[in-house]
Amino acid sequence: QVQLQESGPGLVKPSQTLSLTCTVSGGSISSGSYYWSWIRQPAGKGLEWIGRIYTSGSTNYNPSLKSRVTISVDTSKNQFSLKLSSVTAADTAVYYCAREIVGASPGCRAFDIWGQGTMVTVSS
Amino acid sequence: DIQLTQSPSFLSASVGDRVTITCRASQGISSYLAWYQQKPGKAPKLLIYAASTLQSGVPSRFSGSGSGTEFTLTISSLQPEDFATYYCQQLNSYPPWTFGQGTKVEIK
Repeated sequence: QVQLQESGPGLVKPSQTLSLTCTVSGGSISSGSYYWSWIRQPAGKGLEWIGRIYTSGSTNYNPSLKSRVTISVDTSKNQFSLKLSSVTAADTAVYYCAREIVGASPGCRAFDIWGQGTMVTVSS
Repeated sequence: DIQLTQSPSFLSASVGDRVTITCRASQGISSYLAWYQQKPGKAPKLLIYAASTLQSGVPSRFSGSGSGTEFTLTISSLQPEDFATYYCQQLNSYPPWTFGQGTKVEIK
């Protein structure tokens, strides 16, 4: 079955760019009607959706982060990536990648597959 | 942004109890609501989508209902493995997709 795995540095310095990759295994990132999202969760806090990409390259971002976020896809590697620029301590969190299903029936949207998450700490 | 408010934020219950968690949206979201379960150190797991559709493999003691602005997640008979934090999420109006603040279910 499809699995997602996040990878990238666990420590990023303030003002630098956080870069993470999500590798999709067990299926093609290009198949089906799926979007591919990034979500983050600071320690002890709730979930925040960062943004998503479709395999066509079309993206949507959370307005609160839009000026700093870029999500891209590499279908040849079955991967999608997150870049978050000008990071501060407030960006310290567990970052998850997830698959968003989009069905034909009303209401049929959800994140059905998640990666295990990767902890990113912003500190000098 | 559409705000989701879950109640209660914390719930203490015993094995076998019937548990209900409410999620209220700041504006109508039709049935574009999902519920997730998260255990410590783990990724969220999809339980219910389209407000009331059980995800494949999820036990039938979980059920969801509602539409518009008020939704509920019910666990008919709480099991030891159900002690976790539960989140609702709206996928009707973006950007952004938003989550509720979470409801932590602990053992009484």
